[in-house]
Amino acid sequence: KQEVTQIPAALSVPEGENLVLNCSFTDSAIYNLQWFRQDPGKGLTSLLLIQSSQREQTSGRLNASLDKSSGRSTLYIAASQPGDSATYLCAVRPGTDKLIFGTGTRLQVFP
Amino acid sequence: DAGVTQSPTHLIKTRGQHVTLRCSPISGHKSVSWYQQVLGQGPQFIFQYYEKEERGRGNFPDRFSARQFPNYSSELNVNALLLGDSALYLCASSLSITGGTDTQYFGPGTRLTVL
Repeated sequence: KQEVTQIPAALSVPEGENLVLNCSFTDSAIYNLQWFRQDPGKGLTSLLLIQSSQREQTSGRLNASLDKSSGRSTLYIAASQPGDSATYLCAVRPGTDKLIFGTGTRLQVFP
Repeated sequence: DAGVTQSPTHLIKTRGQHVTLRCSPISGHKSVSWYQQVLGQGPQFIFQYYEKEERGRGNFPDRFSARQFPNYSSELNVNALLLGDSALYLCASSLSITGGTDTQYFGPGTRLTVL
């Protein structure tokens, strides 16, 4: 059974720091992995999608990597800003139907 | 283009009642999925529909049902509401269901409170 774990559960950093969020999954048979951002009480915003054949994807200050063999993905945020404060969720797609989510990392960036 | 839209935004019901939640996908998207997110947890998959057919079902009781219409919009129905059904219900759409490159785009959600 596929399980997704995110560490740490919460993170508080000063503005300007570079930071890494971790995601691990138990079954390497996935189609892709997506990183999402969720603001309190809101829906999910897609940040990056990495296909199973890819190693990383970049968008602006965000870089996500994928190591299928070890069941790990990291989301790197460069030069963090207070506006980056949110919960970050990773999700794997084991088939053509569902996404399986982790419980998220709650990030707070203070000025 | 408008993103995924959901209605209503908030809903309050009492135990035993029935509720219908609605979702309109991004224009051109043919797949709609429903997720339930309980406070402090990641979303849990409920259903996926593609071309008006059910293509996936999560581990939810038969009180949960859904359908997709010819315009690809979708409804999620929940009967005999329980307190534990209180959650944020999220709808996601994608172009297709090929898996590898399909980005799931989520709506703002419907917050359901069962009293």
